Parts: sequence; C-alpha cells; structure tokens
Amino acid sequence: DGGITQSPKYLFRKEGQNVTLSCEQNLNHDAMYWYRQDPGQGLRLIYYSQIVNDFQKGDIAEGYSVSREKKESFPLTVTSAQKNPTAFYLCASSILPSGGGRMNTEAFFGQGTRLTVV
Amino acid sequence: RKEVEQDPGPFNVPEGATVAFNCTYSNSASQSFFWYRQDCRKEPKLLMSVYSSGNEDGRFTAQLNRASQYISLLIRDSKLSDSATYLCVVLGGDSSYKLIFGSGTRLLVRP
Repeated sequence: DGGITQSPKYLFRKEGQNVTLSCEQNLNHDAMYWYRQDPGQGLRLIYYSQIVNDFQKGDIAEGYSVSREKKESFPLTVTSAQKNPTAFYLCASSILPSGGGRMNTEAFFGQGTRLTVV
Repeated sequence: RKEVEQDPGPFNVPEGATVAFNCTYSNSASQSFFWYRQDCRKEPKLLMSVYSSGNEDGRFTAQLNRASQYISLLIRDSKLSDSATYLCVVLGGDSSYKLIFGSGTRLLVRP
C-alpha cells in the first residue's frame, strides 16, 4: 500500500541530546514537509523540500535540521539548540502543481511522532 | 498578519445544526485550497479540496472567493461524529509551494 510513514510514534530524549525523526513515503511525491504542533495549536511549518538535495526553511526552522538525499526520505533532526522541543511532529508529502494545473496537490500525512524531552 | 486565518472557535452546536467556518488568506497568488479535519491526537486528514466554482460532498460544501481571499466550509445536519478541529490549508502562490495551515476551528456537536 502507498503511504507515508513516520517513526517512532513516541520518543523520549534527555535535554541537550540531538534526536532524528524518520519520515518515508512511497507515493512518488516530490514535495515533503515537516510541521510542529503544540497542544491546542495549529500546525507550524519547520522545513519543506520540493526536490532531492534541496530544502527551504519554514516559519520555525531554528533548532532543526533536515536532509533530502532520497526522494522517499526526509528526516528531521531536533538539535539541542531547539529551546522547547517537546511537541507533536508531523511529516507530509504531496505532488507539485504542474504547469497551470493545481489538481490533486493535497498533502498526505504520516501518523506523527510525539517527542518528549525530559 | 498571519498568512492563513480562521475563526478561533470553539463552535458548540446541537446535532442537526448547520455550521459555517470561515478562513482568509493573505497571498493573492495562492493556487490551491483545502479543508482538513483533525481528530484529537491524530494526524490531519483531507476533508475536501476547494475549487473556484464551489464544491459539495454530501453534507459538506466548500466555497472559494478569490477576490476577497476567503474560503468557507458549510456543514449541514451536523452529526456527533463531526466533532473535530477543522483546518484551512492554502498552497502558496510563489514558486516555493508552501502548504500553510490555519490554526484550526474546533467543532463540538452535542446530542
């Protein structure tokens, strides 16, 4: 079955440690995204990528890093520089609009990773 | 100003009620628009895309007004199972193709 997979579902880390969250998709999507969601809040964009070996900062990139070495994979590293890393992290993927078209550009989400830093 | 703004809610309505959510976006060049539903502690799931001509899916109707940069979602005959947070999503109009989410509107349908 095609889909997008995040792992692990729950993650606990000590303060000051870097941690990497996995995101893999087999939908052949060009675009991939990382969002952070805090309790009772909306989704905030951390990083996004439209093509292999290229990515752009979103609204809250400080303290995070990403890589896009393969089309299928877009891992997110939460570094020790992130002041308040405890949150729900969501990865998504989508196709990119082609030409003047905009159909089917909706994003599909993984089930998320709940990161708790103690 | 936020790129995508929604009614803060929460909306608390009885079963069978009609409820409308509104959303405005700031980038006039935005290309695509969506409504997502998010249940508590779950990932968002696509409810419907929003087209210029308006579109309907059962009890749900979405409208887009490009001139006013406004999107709406109407839910008729609310069910208990409609209780969730509804997220307005806009695909950026520049070449970066960012997917920007509104902060969401929480709906609670009571018996």
